[in-house]
Amino acid sequence: GDSVTQMEGPVTLSEEAFLTINCTYTATGYPSLFWYVQYPGEGLQLLLKATKADDKGSNKGFEATYRKETTSFHLEKGSVQVSDSAVYFCALTNTGGFKTIFGAGTRLFVKA
Amino acid sequence: SAVISQKPSRDICQRGTSLTIQCQVDSQVTMMFWYRQQPGQSLTLIATANQGSEATYESGFVIDKFPISRPNLTFSTLTVSNMSPEDSSIYLCSVEGLGIGGSDGYTFGSGTRLTVV
Repeated sequence: GDSVTQMEGPVTLSEEAFLTINCTYTATGYPSLFWYVQYPGEGLQLLLKATKADDKGSNKGFEATYRKETTSFHLEKGSVQVSDSAVYFCALTNTGGFKTIFGAGTRLFVKA
Repeated sequence: SAVISQKPSRDICQRGTSLTIQCQVDSQVTMMFWYRQQPGQSLTLIATANQGSEATYESGFVIDKFPISRPNLTFSTLTVSNMSPEDSSIYLCSVEGLGIGGSDGYTFGSGTRLTVV
């Protein structure tokens, strides 16, 4: 079945450091890919998305490119802030379906 | 995107009791989804609720333990019945975005943090 694998956390960075959180997926067909963010004590928020190969999703300085050849959707940000401290979930929704498969989540701590 | 109001935001309950969680959406939606997020873990889909029909439960979840109501297109409840400490989790409701087949992602409620003692 479909699955999402993302790098284990926690990831601890200093402010203004470069961030990469790796995500790979297994799916039949042509899934849509997402990154969600969960700030402490809150629900999930959609951060960015990509619906087809080579699409780049971007939002709030975060980017991720849908790479079908490597089945990856790595999250990047050039300069993290303390306010980016949260848990990040990679997810997919497969073609014509409504069920979303989530990765295990990666907790990010950013130190001032 | 839709706005979801979920309540209660947190509760501490005695084992053996039940808790009903409510989700109100500010627009009409066909499907609503209920997830469980156990401490430090990812989200697991409990069930999908369509208005006017019984909810569809995922493997490992049963109606007797997690009865769901969906009386109209903007509201749903999830009840956690006969609770035990293992039910301590965050419970979230979710609705589909505007894109076809979930391509716009999903909107989540703020979650209910349940502790069973």
